[in-house]
Amino acid sequence: GQQLNQSPQSMFIQEGEDVSMNCTSSSIFNTWLWYKQDPGEGPVLLIALYKAGELTSNGRLTAQFGITRKDSFLNISASIPSDVGIYFCAGQENTSGTYKYIFGTGTRLKVLA
Amino acid sequence: NAGVMQNPRHLVRRRGQEARLRCSPMKGHSHVYWYRQLPEEGLKFMVYLQKENIIDESGMPKERFSAEFPKEGPSILRIQQVVRGDSAAYFCASSPARLAGNPYEQYFGPGTRLTVT
Repeated sequence: GQQLNQSPQSMFIQEGEDVSMNCTSSSIFNTWLWYKQDPGEGPVLLIALYKAGELTSNGRLTAQFGITRKDSFLNISASIPSDVGIYFCAGQENTSGTYKYIFGTGTRLKVLA
Repeated sequence: NAGVMQNPRHLVRRRGQEARLRCSPMKGHSHVYWYRQLPEEGLKFMVYLQKENIIDESGMPKERFSAEFPKEGPSILRIQQVVRGDSAAYFCASSPARLAGNPYEQYFGPGTRLTVT
């Protein structure tokens, strides 16, 4: 099945650094969601984006819906140890009648104290 | 306000047995989605259900897998005659109907980790 390309696949950063990750697709999406998943748990919704160009923040997290509607970006400022986890993007295709999402492959974030 | 509930959290089955995974959506949510996750991979959509209706099952294998969301009670994902390749984490998500809230935001349960021996 189709998947989004998410990069980087993994990253090690120092506590206090800013983090950037992105998702790209060959398809146009109506909605982008960003999730964080801790080991052994389900994904937790961080940010939802609904319009091309939209920039939305949630605390230290900021996400943007790309102008082309084929990409999205997530930034984490001043990272802390609890930011460790896997971050997934999810895009909803321009298909009426269904709220099915395609998930990215994930960015594994490790923070060094 | 309880979140999405899934049980069991862990399930071990021998090859050929049946696995039943349950999901209770968040209060007020009438849309349920099932996803499958293999280790080190993203989530793969399986099926989208509303009460008593399957809306989209394009991600569901054609054989051995079925899902339902009855008028009363939890949604059930059923896997018959399990094989080793069915071992994975299965997640349920829910969202409200359009008139009850924002149907685009899906909230996930903790998952059921199925191991087939």
